[in-house]
Amino acid sequence: KQEVTQIPAALSVPEGENLVLNCSFTDSAIYNLQWFRQDPGKGLTSLLLIQSSQREQTSGRLNASLDKSSGRSTLYIAASQPGDSATYLCAVLVDSSYKLIFGSGTRLLVRP
Amino acid sequence: DVKVTQSSRYLVKRTGEKVFLECVQDMDHENMFWYRQDPGLGLRLIYFSYDVKMKEKGDIPEGYSVSREKKERFSLILESASTNQTSMYLCASSGHLYEQYFGPGTRLTVT
Repeated sequence: KQEVTQIPAALSVPEGENLVLNCSFTDSAIYNLQWFRQDPGKGLTSLLLIQSSQREQTSGRLNASLDKSSGRSTLYIAASQPGDSATYLCAVLVDSSYKLIFGSGTRLLVRP
Repeated sequence: DVKVTQSSRYLVKRTGEKVFLECVQDMDHENMFWYRQDPGLGLRLIYFSYDVKMKEKGDIPEGYSVSREKKERFSLILESASTNQTSMYLCASSGHLYEQYFGPGTRLTVT
């Protein structure tokens, strides 16, 4: 059974720092991996999608990497800003399934 | 941009009422999903649909049903609302790349 883990559960950093959020999954047979952002009381915003054949994706200050063989993905945020404060969730799509398996999220606070 | 809309941001219903939550997407996506999100339990899949009039149970379908009469619209129905169905409900859709896009959520309170 696929399980997704995110470490750390919470992170507090000063503005301007570069930071890395971690996501690990137990079964490498995934179709893709998706990173989301969620602000309190709101829906999820898709940040990056990495197909299983890809190694990384970039969007602005965000870079996500995928290593299927080790069951790991990282989300790198460059030059963090207070507006980046949110919960970040990773999710994997299991092969031949429509189901996304979510991690429990990392709650990020960027202090001014 | 993909847009997924949900009929209400906040809803308060009484125990035993029939509740309809509506979701509409504008990207001609085949797949649509209903989740609920609770503190400490994360996101849990209730039902999903991969085509019009097709539906499949997710992880926690008990107490819920769904309807998909048109491709762009997916409704979640609580036949007889109970207090343990108080939650944040999130709708999502995905197309051929399976990237899921979420709506803004409906905070449902059942009293």
